[in-house]
Amino acid sequence: KNQVEQSPQSLIILEGKNCTLQCNYTVSPFSNLRWYKQDTGRGPVSLTIMTFSENTKSNGRYTATLDADTKQSSLHITASQLSDSASYICVVSAHRSGNTGKLIFGQGTTLQVKP
Amino acid sequence: DAGVIQSPRHEVTEMGQEVTLRCKPISGHNSLFWYRQTMMRGLELLIYFNNNVPIDDSGMPEDRFSAKMPNASFSTLKIQPSEPRDSAVYFCASSLISLAGVYYNEQFFGPGTRLTVL
Repeated sequence: KNQVEQSPQSLIILEGKNCTLQCNYTVSPFSNLRWYKQDTGRGPVSLTIMTFSENTKSNGRYTATLDADTKQSSLHITASQLSDSASYICVVSAHRSGNTGKLIFGQGTTLQVKP
Repeated sequence: DAGVIQSPRHEVTEMGQEVTLRCKPISGHNSLFWYRQTMMRGLELLIYFNNNVPIDDSGMPEDRFSAKMPNASFSTLKIQPSEPRDSAVYFCASSLISLAGVYYNEQFFGPGTRLTVL
């Protein structure tokens, strides 16, 4: 069964600290993995997209890693800011054929950054 | 560009009533997606269109739900009759498909419609 599991479910950190969010997946055949940031009351915004051949991808203070062998991904946030408070969603694409692949969503990690 | 536009932003209705959600994708995008988000189930893909044609509607929960895309700049998601368990935030997203395939291209989400069915 295709699944995406994220941990922790929620996280509270102090402003300026680093943190790492985890995503484990059992998806086949794997196509790509995305991390989205969703602010409260808004739609998700893409942070990174990685295929199986990409080990790491950065977007400012956000760095995503992918280990296709262990089927794990992490999102590392450096020097957190209050504006990083949001839900972070891991999404894995299972590619079947043509454009008929399927997106499997994680439940998200809710991050709260406190001053 | 104004991004993906959804209306209404909030909708409160009574059980049994018809609800119509609207979406205007980003100009030039050729794919449109409807999602539903709840606390219990997270984000779920309901249906997606490519060049105005429904490609995958396997996520549509039941016959009470229907979606149309009469042209490249407009789509609707209709629920008839609505039920309390349909209460959720409904997102529309659009994307421009390249040869890499729709599931690689970045999707841009609208602000969502918060639906409450009493």
